[in-house]
Amino acid sequence: EAGVAQSPRYKIIEKRQSVAFWCNPISGHATLYWYQQILGQGPKLLIQFQNNGVVDDSQLPKDRFSAERLKGVDSTLKIQPAKLEDSAVYLCASSLNRVGNEQFFGPGTRLTVL
Amino acid sequence: AQSVTQLDSHVSVSEGTPVLLRCNYSSSYSPSLFWYVQHPNKGLQLLLKYTSAATLVKGINGFEAEFKKSETSFHLTKPSAHMSDAAEYFCVVSPMNRDDKIIFGKGTRLHILP
Repeated sequence: EAGVAQSPRYKIIEKRQSVAFWCNPISGHATLYWYQQILGQGPKLLIQFQNNGVVDDSQLPKDRFSAERLKGVDSTLKIQPAKLEDSAVYLCASSLNRVGNEQFFGPGTRLTVL
Repeated sequence: AQSVTQLDSHVSVSEGTPVLLRCNYSSSYSPSLFWYVQHPNKGLQLLLKYTSAATLVKGINGFEAEFKKSETSFHLTKPSAHMSDAAEYFCVVSPMNRDDKIIFGKGTRLHILP
């Protein structure tokens, strides 16, 4: 069974530039999550999708971050414009469903904003 | 509302001695609880999960955790530490109803002394 795929693995940009991350979840998983993990901290949930609908985006900085999951499969997370404090690892995870299920994590995208 | 508290940010044990990583949770409902491990520059991997079946849960690599409802705890243990156990460990509470959120603890860094 293929795992959660993410790309790119690494990205370096300058502040005020834009960046996009891509995630392909495990086939058949209805729930998809994007997390931000700043160095030395635990993952923080940015947005959660159930199929192609948003379940929770309460911690997503909506003035600069956006995400979509068209057709309920793969997803993109965008930052525009980036700030220095956005430097972090962005993790994508998926689960069969949103209640009580194990999450499977991708390898993450390490973003450095200069 | 749910919450999770990892009581120690760092734990150091000698190789071959027992490991105890503490986690307390708060939930209005009987939650699903997970422990994930993150090795340096690696993705998050599920160690074990509790989903209202047996209260003593066995996971990978010799780890286990006991769900204690009276103490609202889900501590992670291992009888004998190995150098390869050095990593960051996260306790996670996952919703069992649609109004709650997934919450990661802040993590416990486990150091293994030779």
